[in-house]
Amino acid sequence: AQSVTQLGSHVSVSEGALVLLRCNYSSSVPPYLFWYVQYPNQGLQLLLKYTSAATLVKGINGFEAEFKKSETSFHLTKPSAHMSDAAEYFCAVSEGGYGGSQGNLIFGKGTKLSVKP
Amino acid sequence: DAMVIQNPRYQVTQFGKPVTLSCSQTLNHNVMYWYQQKSSQAPKLLFHYYDKDFNNEADTPDNFQSRRPNTSFCFLDIRSPGLGDAAMYLCATSITSPLLGNEQFFGPGTRLTVL
Repeated sequence: AQSVTQLGSHVSVSEGALVLLRCNYSSSVPPYLFWYVQYPNQGLQLLLKYTSAATLVKGINGFEAEFKKSETSFHLTKPSAHMSDAAEYFCAVSEGGYGGSQGNLIFGKGTKLSVKP
Repeated sequence: DAMVIQNPRYQVTQFGKPVTLSCSQTLNHNVMYWYQQKSSQAPKLLFHYYDKDFNNEADTPDNFQSRRPNTSFCFLDIRSPGLGDAAMYLCATSITSPLLGNEQFFGPGTRLTVL
């Protein structure tokens, strides 16, 4: 069975500092991996995704993530935090197939990012 | 722009009074999902439609039902809302394409309050 673990339910950084949000997954098949961001009272917006192409994935708003199979990790980073990055971030995994339940996303519990001025 | 639309954005209902939330999409995606998200928690999948095939998660209460009359629309019916059903309800869509890799596109959500 697939699962996702996000280390740290709450991360606080200063504006301009490095953002690192951790995500580890387990999957018995090659996974698809996603990072979503959620602002208060809004839906989830895709930041980036890994679908078995390049292991270093660049997303929107300056975020990137690296797929490391040996470490079963997909950590999210941004070199310099901005106040507007304050939000909740969810890592998710789905099976490499598609259609039916194979397309379902398994979410981590989320990490709330705070950015201090 | 192609998108997922949810109406209303905020819904207030009374304990035990049936309520329907709606979702529409202009993406022409064949899969539609309903999630329940409580405060500071991850979204919890309630059910999904793969084309016309309905797939219910094992732990989704019978109080929750869904209808998909056509490709574009999907409804979530809560037959007798309880206080514990107060949450954000998210609709999402996806298309079976290897290019998109099961990416799901989310609507803005409906915040349900039960009085």
